[in-house]
Amino acid sequence: GAVVSQHPSWVICKSGTSVKIECRSLDFQATTMFWYRQFPKQSLMLMATSNEGSKATYEQGVEKDKFLINHASLTLSTLTVTSAHPEDSSFYICSATTSGRETQYFGPGTRLLVL
Amino acid sequence: EDQVTQSPEALRLQEGESSSLNCSYTVSGLRGLFWYRQDPGKGPEFLFTLYSAGEEKEKERLKATLTKKESFLHITAPKPEDSATYLCAVQGTVGYNKLIFGAGTRLAVHP
Repeated sequence: GAVVSQHPSWVICKSGTSVKIECRSLDFQATTMFWYRQFPKQSLMLMATSNEGSKATYEQGVEKDKFLINHASLTLSTLTVTSAHPEDSSFYICSATTSGRETQYFGPGTRLLVL
Repeated sequence: EDQVTQSPEALRLQEGESSSLNCSYTVSGLRGLFWYRQDPGKGPEFLFTLYSAGEEKEKERLKATLTKKESFLHITAPKPEDSATYLCAVQGTVGYNKLIFGAGTRLAVHP
């Protein structure tokens, strides 16, 4: 139980293009999903928290117009990196939790490389 | 401000050599302390949740303990497949469900 998937697992794009990453909870309803970014040999940094049907809450320093988050259903959240630049290259990981449970279950991550 | 500090940063063990990883934390009201394992290029894998001081949980060669200021992850007779980065995170009563992660301990177990 508590399986979270991400798609794609890796993506290479040109500078200036937009990239969409999907995060799905496969066997439970995710009332809250989180998006993290992880740079090499560093820990996870929370970017934003999204609740189903509500606007995402972004952490300080994260541009909401650049990192668009949609949590349209209880099993799907998407992160769109708009006008991507090389400095956006990173490992993006989502997690999900359900109402009444504190534990976050993580997806396998998406590696983004912007050329 | 909620904060998590893990030590050591890196640990090299021989197979069968038991040891402990430390996670020190400060949080305004602890809802839970979490241990995850992360393999290179993958997302964190959930190991344990601890809720109150004195609590202990075990899974195979791993045992997690919790006090009011820190948590330990004890690894008994480790095997090479235990090599990974172990992440500790806390969830406070403020900032519902938000996790604050430590930098992790990179464990390498050599045969």
